[in-house]
Amino acid sequence: EPEVTQTPSHQVTQMGQEVILRCVPISNHLYFYWYRQILGQKVEFLVSFYNNEISEKSEIFDDQFSVERPDGSNFTLKIRSTKLEDSAMYFCASSESGRNEQFFGPGTRLTVL
Amino acid sequence: RKEVEQDPGPFNVPEGATVAFNCTYSNSASQSFFWYRQDCRKEPKLLMSVYSSGNEDGRFTAQLNRASQYISLLIRDSKLSDSATYLCVVRGGNNRKLIWGLGTSLAVNP
Repeated sequence: EPEVTQTPSHQVTQMGQEVILRCVPISNHLYFYWYRQILGQKVEFLVSFYNNEISEKSEIFDDQFSVERPDGSNFTLKIRSTKLEDSAMYFCASSESGRNEQFFGPGTRLTVL
Repeated sequence: RKEVEQDPGPFNVPEGATVAFNCTYSNSASQSFFWYRQDCRKEPKLLMSVYSSGNEDGRFTAQLNRASQYISLLIRDSKLSDSATYLCVVRGGNNRKLIWGLGTSLAVNP
């Protein structure tokens, strides 16, 4: 069964450093998403991406964040200058269309020290 | 009113019990509804979509009440492996983003 994959599974970084989280969505899916979940809190939408551009983003997704699809398979989330409060689980998801169910990767646990 | 609201629980039930979760949502224009399951420190996994007519998948039954803006999930004959957090998820009218409830924690005991 096809699945969304994410690397790394755990990333530890110093405050102020840049991190890039990587995702490989399901191959025939056209819509890609990033969500985050701070420990003990609810899942929060960050951004959706379609046709090589951002289709929607939340207020969390400020200028420190960017997304890219550098090739035909990877979808990345970059945080330019990490803050302590960026520590969370980051989930990538993909869907066939904008209205279909979204399937999630296993997540990257980001720890900012 | 929160966008998506759930009773966080925890619900502690014995094996074989029937348990029901409710969820309310604030945006009457919401179009799509889902139940996801999340195990501790894992990714959410789609349990089932919720259709206007209601739908059933084995031991799981989901219902949607648009007039009252709530969604329910019924689990019959609960198993130990059903222990998890159940997340109510709603998508707005023109939005693709999913809005998540905090989740309801279920512990099924032997």
